[in-house]
Amino acid sequence: KAGVTQTPRYLIKTRGQQVTLSCSPISGHRSVSWYQQTPGQGLQFLFEYFSETQRNKGNFPGRFSGRQFSNSRSEMNVSTLELGDSALYLCASSLATSGRYYNEQFFGPGTRLTVL
Amino acid sequence: KQEVTQIPAALSVPEGENLVLNCSFTDSAIYNLQWFRQDPGKGLTSLLLIQSSQREQTSGRLNASLDKSSGRSTLYIAASQPGDSATYLCAVRTGTASKLTFGTGTRLQVTL
Repeated sequence: KAGVTQTPRYLIKTRGQQVTLSCSPISGHRSVSWYQQTPGQGLQFLFEYFSETQRNKGNFPGRFSGRQFSNSRSEMNVSTLELGDSALYLCASSLATSGRYYNEQFFGPGTRLTVL
Repeated sequence: KQEVTQIPAALSVPEGENLVLNCSFTDSAIYNLQWFRQDPGKGLTSLLLIQSSQREQTSGRLNASLDKSSGRSTLYIAASQPGDSATYLCAVRTGTASKLTFGTGTRLQVTL
């Protein structure tokens, strides 16, 4: 079974530009979450999508947005890039949650974004 | 607000040694706890998932325990190898959505 894939793997942008990152979850997984990882702040939750609906959102400005398609693939968009947006962006997928047990999350390799 | 702490921040051990990594969390109302490893510049690899009703999980040389009431988890690595060198992260899930709150990690180096 293929793992979580993210494209592109590396991106270099300049301040003020916008960027779109893509994530394809493991086949059959309906939940996709996005995280930002920086040396200073560690791993921080951005948002989660489930069945094309945003189910949870972290404490990030509105410049960060996302969406999920009917095939569960997800995109994340950052508008008006700032130097501080340079980070490793990770997405994770999991099966739909049900009952008392919540499912394991599997992460992709990440997209390294550098803002100059 | 859930906060997750990992001690120590860094650890260096000789090959073959058994070791314990610690994770503590402030809100004991968790659904599950997951341990990951991360190699430099790479994504996260899931190691073990412990549901809130479980006390421990084992996979090969790894054993993770969970004491929800005291807000603690430990990851035990037996007979460490140089290939175990990585950063180890624990993460807890406290809501019905999939949000994980991560610790700051323990950077492990296993020397020959």
